[in-house]
Amino acid sequence: TQLLEQSPQFLSIQEGENLTVYCNSSSVFSSLQWYRQEPGEGPVLLVTVVTGGEVKKLKRLTFQFGDARKDSSLHITAAQPGDTGLYLCAGAWGTYKYIFGTGTRLKVLA
Amino acid sequence: DAGVTQSPTHLIKTRGQQVTLRCSPISGHKSVSWYQQVLGQGPQFIFQYYEKEERGRGNFPDRFSARQFPNYSSELNVNALLLGDSALYLCASGVAGRSTDTQYFGPGTRLTVL
Repeated sequence: TQLLEQSPQFLSIQEGENLTVYCNSSSVFSSLQWYRQEPGEGPVLLVTVVTGGEVKKLKRLTFQFGDARKDSSLHITAAQPGDTGLYLCAGAWGTYKYIFGTGTRLKVLA
Repeated sequence: DAGVTQSPTHLIKTRGQQVTLRCSPISGHKSVSWYQQVLGQGPQFIFQYYEKEERGRGNFPDRFSARQFPNYSSELNVNALLLGDSALYLCASGVAGRSTDTQYFGPGTRLTVL
């Protein structure tokens, strides 16, 4: 069974703080996506990383794909209340399947 | 352009009943995937369909079935509902459904089984 473990599971921080969310697996993925999901809604794609060692930036969010394509991280600088949500990583496994991580629930307090 | 649409938004059923959920992909997308998301967890893959054929199936019992129509819309059917089937059911569409393609999610159907 392919597993993607995310850590931490829950995170509550003050506005302006920095944070990092980790996504780890023993499996190699051809690509990895990060999503943010609001309650009662579907996940919204933030970024796709494909190449080992790749770093992508989206405003205050920095995404990194591990060199071996088994892990990834999401770093948020100066978190804002609008960043609150469930962050999910999803690894592309095999030809037609995505495996989702366990999720990190982030709450940013004003 | 319209995104992925799903209907109904919410649904309440009782144990043993059957349910059909519907999904319309983004125009031009030929692949539809279905996921089950239990409260507090990440989505779990159920099925993927491409060009009306099943391409992949997750670890779900035969009570779960799906099909894709010539217009690429899709239905997910669940028979003999159990309490544990209560979840948010998500549909995602993609151009070709390869795992390296981007998939776009709909808002989901919230199913409650009483």
